[in-house]
Amino acid sequence: DSGVTQTPKHLITATGQRVTLRCSPRSGDLSVYWYQQSLDQGLQFLIQYYNGEERAKGNILERFSAQQFPDLHSELNLSSLELGDSALYFCASSVGGTKVNEQFFGPGTRLTVL
Amino acid sequence: KNQVEQSPQSLIILEGKNCTLQCNYTVSPFSNLRWYKQDTGRGPVSLTIMTFSENTKSNGRYTATLDADTKQSSLHITASQLSDSASYICVVSSQAGTALIFGKGTTLSVSS
Repeated sequence: DSGVTQTPKHLITATGQRVTLRCSPRSGDLSVYWYQQSLDQGLQFLIQYYNGEERAKGNILERFSAQQFPDLHSELNLSSLELGDSALYFCASSVGGTKVNEQFFGPGTRLTVL
Repeated sequence: KNQVEQSPQSLIILEGKNCTLQCNYTVSPFSNLRWYKQDTGRGPVSLTIMTFSENTKSNGRYTATLDADTKQSSLHITASQLSDSASYICVVSSQAGTALIFGKGTTLSVSS
């Protein structure tokens, strides 16, 4: 158990809908990262927050947005969902916000868009 | 273009045998390289992190090597166990920019 929690574990929804994924980092970690993992693409970095502020942006679509709250939990919002958004979404956390910090991954949320 | 290529794509070995997984990258300027183990349906778990100045790092039966000149890394697994069956992912970060670049992973199956 990494100490990072994600809810829900599974989510099934329809195209065009909007969903929110939630992540609670390990106690003491200030950085939260979001990743998407689909079968044909592997893991893709989406976005990083550090202590409430956006720190880095990867291959995140405009239909997706995220935020980190004062209690350091984070939410990833996915809207106007398409079939291709079906994937595993992982959250990771680290103590600091630099690239050398070890990241601890949560168990993931499996999103299925029908 | 920053890329991370892993080989082989998949590998089947007998329990107790050793194996070596390869990672080649074109990321520049290089910052660090990580190896992760990911069990099916679970989040990746870090095995090693190596910076430019490190060329070997061990974590139990896992030993990673890095050759920053040739931009190659390998992960050697000694005396494999059934629990080593997983996907092994090589991840490289650049000093420029903030994104991590992930390889597609090597799927290792250890059979008895």
